[in-house]
Amino acid sequence: GAVVSQHPSWVICKSGTSVKIECRSLDFQATTMFWYRQFPKQSLMLMATSNEGSKATYEQGVEKDKFLINHASLTLSTLTVTSAHPEDSSFYICSASKPGGYEQYFGPGTRLTVT
Amino acid sequence: AQSVTQLGSHVSVSEGALVLLRCNYSSSVPPYLFWYVQYPNQGLQLLLKYTSAATLVKGINGFEAEFKKSETSFHLTKPSAHMSDAAEYFCAVMFSGGYNKLIFGAGTRLAVHP
Repeated sequence: GAVVSQHPSWVICKSGTSVKIECRSLDFQATTMFWYRQFPKQSLMLMATSNEGSKATYEQGVEKDKFLINHASLTLSTLTVTSAHPEDSSFYICSASKPGGYEQYFGPGTRLTVT
Repeated sequence: AQSVTQLGSHVSVSEGALVLLRCNYSSSVPPYLFWYVQYPNQGLQLLLKYTSAATLVKGINGFEAEFKKSETSFHLTKPSAHMSDAAEYFCAVMFSGGYNKLIFGAGTRLAVHP
């Protein structure tokens, strides 16, 4: 199998605070992980691509200082939303690819609500 | 520019009727193509994928899709809709040279009524 988990599944935080979301590949090593954002009733938008041990590549328009991505191991990538604001409220989904593979395996998503 | 288009943001069918969800892409080189399903507040589940092998691809839950290069299409079908098929469906494309990045269509919400 190829199972990807995310933690937490939902989180509520106050405006101005930071929140960290974890993405783990449970039964495979993931050299590449992807972070997506999905607003209500909209499609997934790629935020960044992270490769283990190197800096993440952010898509145009995504603030790298606001959305910090760390891919410190072959099974874990984290997304930290810094100084969160209500407009950052969204559904964040990660995915992971196996070494040499192209298929992405998706996590269950994290619902972030900033009050 | 490379893109993917899903025609129809909402599709409604009767239980037992044919399901047809449309997806077109724009690219001079056939890409890899995927269909995903998403239930409320959940991640994405892969239904099927096309990777330059057979043009008619069979997936899970009775879904299938046919890659038509001449029409740059990859429409998703299911002969008989079930109530449990009600969900959001996304077509996604992976273009060559795109570093394995997926580009998603806008999605089609499928409603199934008795």
